[in-house]
Amino acid sequence: DVKVTQSSRYLVKRTGEKVFLECVQDMDHENMFWYRQDPGLGLRLIYFSYDVKMKEKGDIPEGYSVSREKKERFSLILESASTNQTSMYLCASSLYTGRNGYTFGSGTRLTVV
Amino acid sequence: GNSVTQMEGPVTLSEEAFLTINCTYTATGYPSLFWYVQYPGEGLQLLLKATKADDKGSNKGFEATYRKETTSFHLEKGSVQVSDSAVYFCALSVSSGGSYIPTFGRGTSLIVHP
Repeated sequence: DVKVTQSSRYLVKRTGEKVFLECVQDMDHENMFWYRQDPGLGLRLIYFSYDVKMKEKGDIPEGYSVSREKKERFSLILESASTNQTSMYLCASSLYTGRNGYTFGSGTRLTVV
Repeated sequence: GNSVTQMEGPVTLSEEAFLTINCTYTATGYPSLFWYVQYPGEGLQLLLKATKADDKGSNKGFEATYRKETTSFHLEKGSVQVSDSAVYFCALSVSSGGSYIPTFGRGTSLIVHP
């Protein structure tokens, strides 16, 4: 079975901390995505990457950065965590065209206190 | 731009009732269409897909037909179970400036009572 693995299911961090969320896929997918999901707002795209070392901003990149040094790994970085970044974070991957669909990880529920 | 509109929930049904969740889309080009399901505390799982007009995607008793003329991809199931209670997302994927970024609807919550 194809898999997208997010390193943590639950995280609690303090305001101002630098936070790393890791995502690994084992399907040799070109595309990888980071979303945040909040009640009533649906899925909002933070960043995506279509190749190693390539990244593109999504709809809400402010306060976040990403890193893709290897094809299978896509990291989301909160440079200085704030309480308004408390959310569910979802990683996904796909083949370049996305025709076969997008495979999601189980999510990381981040709480910033 | 591309967009997906799906009916607002929650949709509340009794077990064995017929389910329809409406989804319409706007896209440039010829999108692939998807339905995803999300159970509480989990990520999204692909439920079914269709990649061209008149294709029918099906899985676990759920079906949806790609209707290009009405730009719709409605999800149906003949007899729902309590275990189908979840949030359902309609989505599309189409090339935009050379990138294939999925567009998701807001999600429709389904609650099935025994």
